[in-house]
Amino acid sequence: EVQLVQSGAEVKKPGESLKISCQGSGYSFTSYWIGWVRQMPGKGLEWMGIIYPGDSDTRYSPSFQGQVTISADKSISTAYLQWASLKASDTAMYYCARATQLYSPFDCWGQGTLVTVSS
Amino acid sequence: SYVLTQPPSVSVAPGKTARITCGGNNIGSKSVHWYQQKPGQAPVRVINYDNDRPSGIPERFSGSNSGNTATLTISRVEAGDEADYYCQVWDTSSDRGVFGGGTKLTVL
Repeated sequence: EVQLVQSGAEVKKPGESLKISCQGSGYSFTSYWIGWVRQMPGKGLEWMGIIYPGDSDTRYSPSFQGQVTISADKSISTAYLQWASLKASDTAMYYCARATQLYSPFDCWGQGTLVTVSS
Repeated sequence: SYVLTQPPSVSVAPGKTARITCGGNNIGSKSVHWYQQKPGQAPVRVINYDNDRPSGIPERFSGSNSGNTATLTISRVEAGDEADYYCQVWDTSSDRGVFGGGTKLTVL
């Protein structure tokens, strides 16, 4: 069974760093893109960026470029989304999702990681 | 940057047909994917590549795409179809993905 399992909910303070994860199983992790999607409370889906774990080719939305870092460790079939310095406005649900190609749909989604940033 | 525009809400009576639009400049030249998201759940794709229905999605769901508008059509709407629906494309000019703002489907 194809699965993406994300790390658990996080509560952080502004200015702190954070790295959340997304582990794939049931398929060849290096042969699919992994994208990250933000959903702020009560709002819609926002495409953040995407990585190809096979060669670490990464694309970012201009809205998120420089604000987050997407990476992957193919040895443990895990993709990451990280922040160097969190802001309250980073409070959101973050989903990872799998795609065959850049233009392909996301055919499998993680369960989401809720990140809460509050002083 | 490429923008996808969806109506914030659509209401339909059970058994009727719901049409949810997704507008974008020459969107007919792109492949459009549609997702359904119910409260507290991750999104699920319901239409791939304009009009392809993934395995397990009822035949009541269909899609079309031409000109500046893509449309998700849900026939014989059921109470269980009540959800938020999002369109999505890959914008080759900016080399990034884009989601529409989402449409809340209410079954009256």
